[in-house]
Amino acid sequence: KQEVTQIPAALSVPEGENLVLNCSFTDSAIYNLQWFRQDPGKGLTSLLLIQSSQREQTSGRLNASLDKSSGRSTLYIAASQPGDSATYLCAAQDSNYQLIWGAGTKLIIKP
Amino acid sequence: KAGVTQTPRYLIKTRGQQVTLSCSPISGHRSVSWYQQTPGQGLQFLFEYFSETQRNKGNFPGRFSGRQFSNSRSEMNVSTLELGDSALYLCASSLWGTGLSDGYTFGSGTRLTVV
Repeated sequence: KQEVTQIPAALSVPEGENLVLNCSFTDSAIYNLQWFRQDPGKGLTSLLLIQSSQREQTSGRLNASLDKSSGRSTLYIAASQPGDSATYLCAAQDSNYQLIWGAGTKLIIKP
Repeated sequence: KAGVTQTPRYLIKTRGQQVTLSCSPISGHRSVSWYQQTPGQGLQFLFEYFSETQRNKGNFPGRFSGRQFSNSRSEMNVSTLELGDSALYLCASSLWGTGLSDGYTFGSGTRLTVV
């Protein structure tokens, strides 16, 4: 059974820092891994989607990597801004096409 | 293009009642998935519909049901509401539901409170 873990559960950093969020999964048989952000009380905003055949994806200040062999994905945020404050969730799509979710990392960027 | 629309945004219901939530996917998308999000359990998969057929189902009791119409709009119904059903219900739209090319786009959710 696929399990997805996100570490740390919470992170607070000063504005301008580069940071890395981690996501690990137990079963390497995934179709893709997707990163989302969620603002308090809101829905999910898709950030990056990495197909199983890809190693990384980039969008602006965000870069996500995928290493299936080690069961890890990382989300790198460059030059963090207060507007980046949110909960970041990763989800692995398993062989049944279901999204298996991590519990999220709550990120606070201090001005 | 218009995003995923969920209605209503907020609902307050009494235990024992039933509720229907609606989700309109992105135009042209054929797959709609439903998720329940609670502070204790996080995001949990309810079910997925593709071309009016339930293709996948999570581990929820039969009180949770859904359907999809020919225009891909989907409804989710919860009967005999319990306090534990209080949650944010999210729907996700995808072209094919496999996420292999386009991933998933989520709506803003419906916040259900059962009192």
